[in-house]
Amino acid sequence: GAVVSQHPSWVICKSGTSVKIECRSLDFQATTMFWYRQFPKQSLMLMATSNEGSKATYEQGVEKDKFLINHASLTLSTLTVTSAHPEDSSFYICSARDTRERSGELFFGEGSRLTVL
Amino acid sequence: LAKTTQPISMDSYEGQEVNITCSHNNIATNDYITWYQQFPSQGPRFIIQGYKTKVTNEVASLFIPADRKSSTLSLPRVSLSDTAVYYCLVGRYNTDKLIFGTGTRLQVFP
Repeated sequence: GAVVSQHPSWVICKSGTSVKIECRSLDFQATTMFWYRQFPKQSLMLMATSNEGSKATYEQGVEKDKFLINHASLTLSTLTVTSAHPEDSSFYICSARDTRERSGELFFGEGSRLTVL
Repeated sequence: LAKTTQPISMDSYEGQEVNITCSHNNIATNDYITWYQQFPSQGPRFIIQGYKTKVTNEVASLFIPADRKSSTLSLPRVSLSDTAVYYCLVGRYNTDKLIFGTGTRLQVFP
């Protein structure tokens, strides 16, 4: 199946700094990617839909100025957590569809664990 | 987007068949039913997808009654490595964003 890769897999940063997480579709093009956040023992929460060449669509309650999403190419979307605080510590997961697959299944990255000190 | 309801957790023993049922009373005509598996600190992984009746692949079966208001994921002869969280999602394939529900935490014991 298609492969989605995230980098870094884990990152530790100081409070107030910004952190960028990359999401790449390795063997297919993705005009749309999805960013999720997951806290321990909880389900995935959709944060935003990343659209290649246009602005991301954010879910209700997600601050677009804090979670900057850029989808500059058909294989790369980035999520930047700006001025990170300890409450932003979480597991961030991206996903994308390979539209060549009839099932329309979402392929997920390995996830990026952010710890803000 | 149709909301789903699943049991929060289930326990089983190795070698047993496990059936996880998901309710989706508001499923739309164009919605498909998809199940994902997630291990700790990993992204979810696609298991199976169906629209109606029964679908089977190498790892699971999916049973969908005629009214499509529920579905059952069947895992034959589970092993310890099947311990994971299983999510049921509904949506139009290839178009919709997918909203995750609570999922079912399956614990398999030796």
